[in-house]
Amino acid sequence: GDSVTQMEGPVTLSEEAFLTINCTYTATGYPSLFWYVQYPGEGLQLLLKATKADDKGSNKGFEATYRKETTSFHLEKGSVQVSDSAVYFCALYPGFQKLVFGTGTRLLVSP
Amino acid sequence: NAGVTQTPKFRILKIGQSMTLQCAQDMNHNYMYWYRQDPGMGLKLIYYSVGAGITDKGEVPNGYNVSRSTTEDFPLRLELAAPSQTSVYFCASIGGRNTEAFFGQGTRLTVV
Repeated sequence: GDSVTQMEGPVTLSEEAFLTINCTYTATGYPSLFWYVQYPGEGLQLLLKATKADDKGSNKGFEATYRKETTSFHLEKGSVQVSDSAVYFCALYPGFQKLVFGTGTRLLVSP
Repeated sequence: NAGVTQTPKFRILKIGQSMTLQCAQDMNHNYMYWYRQDPGMGLKLIYYSVGAGITDKGEVPNGYNVSRSTTEDFPLRLELAAPSQTSVYFCASIGGRNTEAFFGQGTRLTVV
């Protein structure tokens, strides 16, 4: 079945460091891919998305490229801020039925 | 621009009590989902629906029931609350393949 695998957390970085959170997926067909962010005590918010191979989603300095050949959608940011501390979820939607999430990766950014 | 609305935001139940978590969306989305999120953990799918009158089980359906009589509403019922159901519950909806999922703000439930 469809699945998403994310790197284990927490990821601990200093402010202005480079961030990569790995995400790989297994799916039949051509799913849409998403990154969601959850700030402490809040619900999930869409961070960025990509709907087809080679698409790059971007928002708030974060980027992720839909790589069909490696079945990956890694999240990157060139310079993290303390305010980026949150839990990040990779997700896929195959176009029918279930929306599939990874287990989430907690990011902790220190000043 | 209400999106997905969940009520209540917080609730404390005693063991054995029942309650319904409400979820409503105003985007005419066909697909709706209920997830639970235990402390420090990811999301687990409880039930989902692909349209009015159609529901199906997710990963962790035991102890819960759902109904989908209208496109807008997707309530989650806990019949006999147990401490293991202490969690944060999120409702979500999605309109189609190239659209994002919208989440409610969550219901924090404690069973004591």
